[in-house]
Amino acid sequence: DADVTQTPRNRITKTGKRIMLECSQTKGHDRMYWYRQDPGLGLRLIYYSFDVKDINKGEISDGYSVSRQAQAKFSLSLESAIPNQTALYFCATSDLGPGRETQYFGPGTRLLVL
Amino acid sequence: GDSVTQMEGPVTLSEEAFLTINCTYTATGYPSLFWYVQYPGEGLQLLLKATKADDKGSNKGFEATYRKETTSFHLEKGSVQVSDSAVYFCALSDAFGGGGADGLTFGKGTHLIIQP
Repeated sequence: DADVTQTPRNRITKTGKRIMLECSQTKGHDRMYWYRQDPGLGLRLIYYSFDVKDINKGEISDGYSVSRQAQAKFSLSLESAIPNQTALYFCATSDLGPGRETQYFGPGTRLLVL
Repeated sequence: GDSVTQMEGPVTLSEEAFLTINCTYTATGYPSLFWYVQYPGEGLQLLLKATKADDKGSNKGFEATYRKETTSFHLEKGSVQVSDSAVYFCALSDAFGGGGADGLTFGKGTHLIIQP
């Protein structure tokens, strides 16, 4: 089984709708991250969390919110989706110990906002 | 702020050719450097990394050396295969160097196409 899973893998929604993307991990890592990938722009950090009580904004947090329900679960919400949030979204995790700078990625969620 | 610049693609090579994908960076601290690979329809996989100057990361025939003097981390492979076709991302982590937010800073990605 995959260490980092994301659901759904694909989602089509309409402008103004609220949607949630979910991430679960079995790696036992404390740190979790949400990125978006756009063609020609690489990946950009949306939010990150060091533990359940610690949530931090990344480079492009506007229009997004997150919830860290447990060490293993980190959800990304779009409160009112807009077309320029159409992108590929990745969840990632990293540890606190040696090698903590390495991040491990989920398979991604492809989101289309009409 | 931190940034990563890598050569734009697509890069098209014939099988068994020598590969170089250039990557340079700017960072305020002492970053760790990474190459991630994304195969079609998949997420990112760590290819190799280096955590300090002069370190060489290697995996699956790919190599990259952390050059602090030139702020570079170029990816090389002596003989590419069709199965190496993918998008390659150079990235840095400066989380422990006081450079700002945690998380990786990525380059824009280089699409590599290997022809038989």
